[in-house]
Amino acid sequence: QVQLQESGPGLVKPSETLSLTCTVSGGSISSSYWSWIRQPAGEGLEWIGRISPSGSTSYSPSLNSRVTMSVDTSKNQFSLKLSSVTAADTAVYYCARDVSWFDPWGPGTLVIVSS
Amino acid sequence: EIVLTQSPGTLSLSPGERVTLSCRASWSVSSNYLSWYQQKPGQAPRLLMYGASNRATGIPDRFSGSGSGTDFTLTIRRLEPEDFAVYYCQQYSSSPYTFGQGTKLEIK
Repeated sequence: QVQLQESGPGLVKPSETLSLTCTVSGGSISSSYWSWIRQPAGEGLEWIGRISPSGSTSYSPSLNSRVTMSVDTSKNQFSLKLSSVTAADTAVYYCARDVSWFDPWGPGTLVIVSS
Repeated sequence: EIVLTQSPGTLSLSPGERVTLSCRASWSVSSNYLSWYQQKPGQAPRLLMYGASNRATGIPDRFSGSGSGTDFTLTIRRLEPEDFAVYYCQQYSSSPYTFGQGTKLEIK
């Protein structure tokens, strides 16, 4: 079955760019859309955006100006870049298969924004 | 964007009890495009229901979902110890996708 795994730096300095990659295994990235979702500690879930296998994207309006997503079908990976980060961007970041609902999810990766 | 409001925020219940969680949308969710997730501490959310009333693969039949328009519910028929967790609803009727703030089920 499809499994996802997030990877990337766990610590990012304020004003820099957060970069994460999600590796899909057990299935082809070309078979679905894919999303990024984040969750600050002790808080709820926030959808960041989605990407299609062809690279078309849709972002949350609240993050649209700072988000870039990309896909690499040869590596079965998709990526997230979030620019000009602040402490408010500290969260667990999840990738998930997006069939409008999200299933499955990766285990998540904690990203802390701090100098 | 569609705002989802879940109630109550926290419920204290005992195993074996029946519980109904509420998710209310600020605008009508078309075609019942609403899903439910369960999240346990330190884990990623797990899909329970999609299309308001369809159980995801492997979800026990003590879980059921219903509703339409702006009012949706998730019912757990007889609480098992492993059901104590946080539950989120999510709408995919319109972009941006949004989640409710969650309802926490805790053991009484």
